Amino acid sequence: KAGVTQTPRYLIKTRGQQVTLSCSPISGHRSVSWYQQTPGQGLQFLFEYFSETQRNKGNFPGRFSGRQFSNSRSEMNVSTLELGDSALYLCASSWSSATNEKLFFGSGTQLSVL
Amino acid sequence: GIQVEQSPPDLILQEGANSTLRCNFSDSVNNLQWFHQNPWGQLINLFYIPSGTKQNGRLSATTVATERYSLLYISSSQTTDSGVYFCAGTIQGAQKLVFGQGTRLTINP
Repeated sequence: KAGVTQTPRYLIKTRGQQVTLSCSPISGHRSVSWYQQTPGQGLQFLFEYFSETQRNKGNFPGRFSGRQFSNSRSEMNVSTLELGDSALYLCASSWSSATNEKLFFGSGTQLSVL
Repeated sequence: GIQVEQSPPDLILQEGANSTLRCNFSDSVNNLQWFHQNPWGQLINLFYIPSGTKQNGRLSATTVATERYSLLYISSSQTTDSGVYFCAGTIQGAQKLVFGQGTRLTINP
């Protein structure tokens, strides 16, 4: 059974650009959640999607958005990139909840903003 | 705000040693999980342990939610155990996982 797949693995962008990251959950998993990891702030929750609907959102500006498709694949978008958006972005999937079930993570997308 | 404290922040051991990692929460915790992040950034779920004790090979974990802490035990450490260990949980019914800052474990041969 394939794990959580994130693409691309590495991404380099410049300030002001926008970026889209992709996440394919484990087959059968309907909850997809996104996290940002930085050396200063650690791991922080961005948002969770379930059945194509955003169920929860963390404390991030509106430049961070996401969506989920009918096959449970998810994308997150960051517009008007800032230097501080440089981070490892991790996606996790679970059967139905990002909080009260075991979470399975992808390998992440390392975003560098220059 | 919600505080998740992990101790120690860094731990260096020789292969074969045992270790105990601790996770303290500022309030009653639910849905506690332990993860291992390897040097390539992959987060591996070790335990989903909202309460009680679980064991998986050389690893075991205990959570006492009412006392707001969890422990991860690693026995007979191997170099492949190196990496950063995170605990995470939900507090006060909040619908998001809050992560600790991690314990960086280095196992030397």
